[in-house]
Amino acid sequence: AQKVTQAQTEISVVEKEDVTLDCVYETRDTTYYLFWYKQPPSGELVFLIRRNSFDEQNEISGRYSWNFQKSTSSFNFTITASQVVDSAVYFCALSGGADGLTFGKGTHLIIQP
Amino acid sequence: DAGITQSPRHKVTETGTPVTLRCHQTENHRYMYWYRQDPGHGLRLIHYSYGVKDTDKGEVSDGYSVSRSKTEDFLLTLESATSSQTSVYFCAISQDPSGNTIYFGEGSWLTVV
Repeated sequence: AQKVTQAQTEISVVEKEDVTLDCVYETRDTTYYLFWYKQPPSGELVFLIRRNSFDEQNEISGRYSWNFQKSTSSFNFTITASQVVDSAVYFCALSGGADGLTFGKGTHLIIQP
Repeated sequence: DAGITQSPRHKVTETGTPVTLRCHQTENHRYMYWYRQDPGHGLRLIHYSYGVKDTDKGEVSDGYSVSRSKTEDFLLTLESATSSQTSVYFCAISQDPSGNTIYFGEGSWLTVV
C-alpha cells in the first residue's frame, strides 16, 4: 500500500521568510510519480509539479524549489521569499498506476504580512 | 486549464435522497476519478474509470456508485445520501496516470441535512 505523510499540519511565517514543506512517502513500486498541488482559499486544486522516481534532480521554478531524495523517501517543497498569495493548503501526492493519486493530508501555510 | 466541468457546484439535500454529481471533460482523457475531501483526511479516492463502462472502486467507495457511458462523462451517485457524505467532491482526469499529470475540476460542495 502507498502512503504519503505531511507531518506539518499548519505552518505560519511572516512574509519574505523562506519556508519548507515536508513530504515523506512509502511505496513498493520501483516506478512512481510524485506531485505537489496547491489549494488556495477559493478551493480549486492547482498542479505545481510532477517528478518521476528516476529523476532525482532538484527543480527550481521562480520562488519555488523541490528537493527529491530517494534515499530518505522525501519530496520537500521550499518557497523562497514567501508572499501573502502563497497562503494555501499544499498537498503532496504519489501515483503508482491506474488508480490515481494517494494524497497526504495537506499542510496549511499561512503567510502573515 | 484542463477542460473539466463539475455540476452541480453546490447542493444541499436531505438524508435518504439520491444525488448524482456529474463530471464532464473536453480533453478526451481515458482516466477519470472521483475524490472526496474532508478536514483531516486530505483527498481520498472514491471510484475511478479507465475507459467507457470500465470502473473500479477506490479507498472509500461504500455508499457510492459510478457510471461512464461516454468518454466525456463520469457520474457519481449517492443512492441514499447520509450526513457522513457531506463533503467536497472533486473530479479528476488523466491521459495516463503512469506518467501524466492528473488534473482536477473545481469541486462540488455537497451538504446532506
